[in-house]
Amino acid sequence: TQLLEQSPQFLSIQEGENLTVYCNSSSVFSSLQWYRQEPGEGPVLLVTVVTGGEVKKLKRLTFQFGDARKDSSLHITAAQPGDTGLYLCAGEKYGGSQGNLIFGKGTKLSVKP
Amino acid sequence: NAGVMQNPRHLVRRRGQEARLRCSPMKGHSHVYWYRQLPEEGLKFMVYLQKENIIDESGMPKERFSAEFPKEGPSILRIQQVVRGDSAAYFCASSLTTSGNNEQFFGPGTRLTVL
Repeated sequence: TQLLEQSPQFLSIQEGENLTVYCNSSSVFSSLQWYRQEPGEGPVLLVTVVTGGEVKKLKRLTFQFGDARKDSSLHITAAQPGDTGLYLCAGEKYGGSQGNLIFGKGTKLSVKP
Repeated sequence: NAGVMQNPRHLVRRRGQEARLRCSPMKGHSHVYWYRQLPEEGLKFMVYLQKENIIDESGMPKERFSAEFPKEGPSILRIQQVVRGDSAAYFCASSLTTSGNNEQFFGPGTRLTVL
C-alpha cells in the first residue's frame, strides 16, 4: 500500500500550458516536501510546507498544503521544456519515526517545445 | 559550499561480492539517511544515522546490509554477498536537524549493478 499517492503518474504537455500534480494520503503529515529528479541524478528539494493551508510560490511553481495536512498540490504556470523531470512528494508522517521520509512514486512530466 | 557527495557514482559487482557505498553529508550536517530506489519505484527509506549512532534502521534488510557513520569520515552503506535483487540506485541525504521541517538534501546517488 502506497502511503503517498501521486497523480497523474505521467503527464505530457505542450510548452506554455498549465498543469497541476497531486499528492494524496489518508494520513496526516508533519511536513511535506516536493523534489524534482532528473535521470541519473538525485532528487533536488524544491519546497517544504509545514502548516495546513500553506501556499508557497517559487517563480512559476505554486505549492499548496491541504488544510488537514493530508494532501498537497503543485501547480506549474506556463510550463517550459526545462520543467521536464520527475516530481516527487515526500513527507514525514505525523507521529512516525523522525527522519523517515515517505515518498510517492512521482509524476513524470514531459514538456514539449 | 559542497552538497552531499556520494561515491562511487556507478558500481558493478558480481553475485556474492561486497559493495561499499560512501556518503559525505553537507558541511555542518550531522544527520544522514540512506534510501533505495528501484526502477519505476519511489524512494524507500533504509536507515537514519547520526555520528556514531544508528537511530532508525527499520527500512534496512536484517541480513547482509549494514550502515555506519563514524566520528571521522563518510557514512558507509555495506552490502555483503550481493544478489541481483540488490541492483538499484542508492541515495544518501543529510539534514541539519530533525526538528521542525526536517529538510533533507540528497546526493547524486550510487547506481549498483549486480551481474
